[in-house]
Amino acid sequence: QKEVEQDPGPLSVPEGAIVSLNCTYSNSAFQYFMWYRQYSRKGPELLMYTYSSGNKEDGRFTAQVDKSSKYISLFIRDSQPSDSATYLCAMSGTGNDYKLSFGAGTTVTVRA
Amino acid sequence: DGGITQSPKYLFRKEGQNVTLSCEQNLNHDAMYWYRQDPGQGLRLIYYSQIVNDFQKGDIAEGYSVSREKKESFPLTVTSAQKNPTAFYLCASSMVAMGYTFGSGTRLTVV
Repeated sequence: QKEVEQDPGPLSVPEGAIVSLNCTYSNSAFQYFMWYRQYSRKGPELLMYTYSSGNKEDGRFTAQVDKSSKYISLFIRDSQPSDSATYLCAMSGTGNDYKLSFGAGTTVTVRA
Repeated sequence: DGGITQSPKYLFRKEGQNVTLSCEQNLNHDAMYWYRQDPGQGLRLIYYSQIVNDFQKGDIAEGYSVSREKKESFPLTVTSAQKNPTAFYLCASSMVAMGYTFGSGTRLTVV
């Protein structure tokens, strides 16, 4: 079993829909949770960064962390064609931990 | 502007050749990483380095080598021992417990 599981999709939604992405993990030591967006043939870019459990909102994006269930989510409201990309979740443990564990990524297409 | 620069963007390798991928950062980050990404797969860690002159193997280090002589630079050599090197290679850097900053990647193709 992988340390971080993420449904690879693909996920196709109409413009304006809410996109829901999620990851599950097995390591209870994880405390730092991130979402990256990767456009085709580009490097991933950091989208959201959260520490421990709770919600974080940034514009149309909301990240949720439920440590009791070992489950994290990313919601994209009012999705746009420019949101079409691969979304990767990532997480790490203690404050002295450099390495991230990545999910496989979910490919999202927003249809105009 | 601060960031990570990977070069070249595209690289072609003949069978039996070694090739070196360049990665330079001016973010003053301590740690640097090399990942390999294949179609439909996630990121797989090749090597990482937390300080100068020290580096550790990742999950798929066989057929690859690295050096970390300067804080800013972390070149990756794909040796002839790597039997399936065609892939998209990503370099990243970070400070402890923070997210990574990625480069724009190098696409390596064996011809």
